[in-house]
Amino acid sequence: DAKTTQPPSMDCAEGRAANLPCNHSTISGNEYGYWYRQIHSQGPQYIIHGLKNNETNEMASLIITEDRKSSTLILPHATLRDTAVYYCIVTLNTGTASKLTFGTGTRLQVTL
Amino acid sequence: GAVVSQHPSWVICKSGTSVKIECRSLDFQATTMFWYRQFPKQSLMLMATSNEGSKATYEQGVEKDKFLINHASLTLSTLTVTSAHPEDSSFYICSGVLRGPWEQYFGPGTRLTVT
Repeated sequence: DAKTTQPPSMDCAEGRAANLPCNHSTISGNEYGYWYRQIHSQGPQYIIHGLKNNETNEMASLIITEDRKSSTLILPHATLRDTAVYYCIVTLNTGTASKLTFGTGTRLQVTL
Repeated sequence: GAVVSQHPSWVICKSGTSVKIECRSLDFQATTMFWYRQFPKQSLMLMATSNEGSKATYEQGVEKDKFLINHASLTLSTLTVTSAHPEDSSFYICSGVLRGPWEQYFGPGTRLTVT
């Protein structure tokens, strides 16, 4: 699986957009990018995933560069409840057997 | 999303004893379940892949005789930490998979403290 690089921490004011970058320069053509987050002392939660096209769901948007070597997760209106560690994971989609390798992630702190 | 539960949510045991942690998918059938371990201020580390009706597959460096995994049904996987030692104290998290990585649902975790 391709390795990812994320900034260790970021701050964001409540109500503003949080933009979390992820570099995955060694991603292969059939690897997807997945985003999960972990609120303190809880299990991780799926946010969004994509292959090459930008994606949007009720939680967030995922912007993928044309060369697919980096991506940005956007939380459009961050709230205090979005304070968490955000993990960018690149992996093949092999169905139920797909493993998720968690890196160090980005600790997002949303403040008043 | 689907729900995965873990029991117990926290446990304290004495060194040398064994502890069993249950992971249940409450509203879906999980052919595959994963077990992770997370030390304080560190990321999740995959320990093993648990498939219903077959032996678990352990990641490199994880002792299969120490961390016994049983996946007896499509909704239940158990992790038994045998002869626990203080260094096994950690946050253990399981997940159940419905169709693929975007549908990997995590339990709330079990905090194990070995004294």
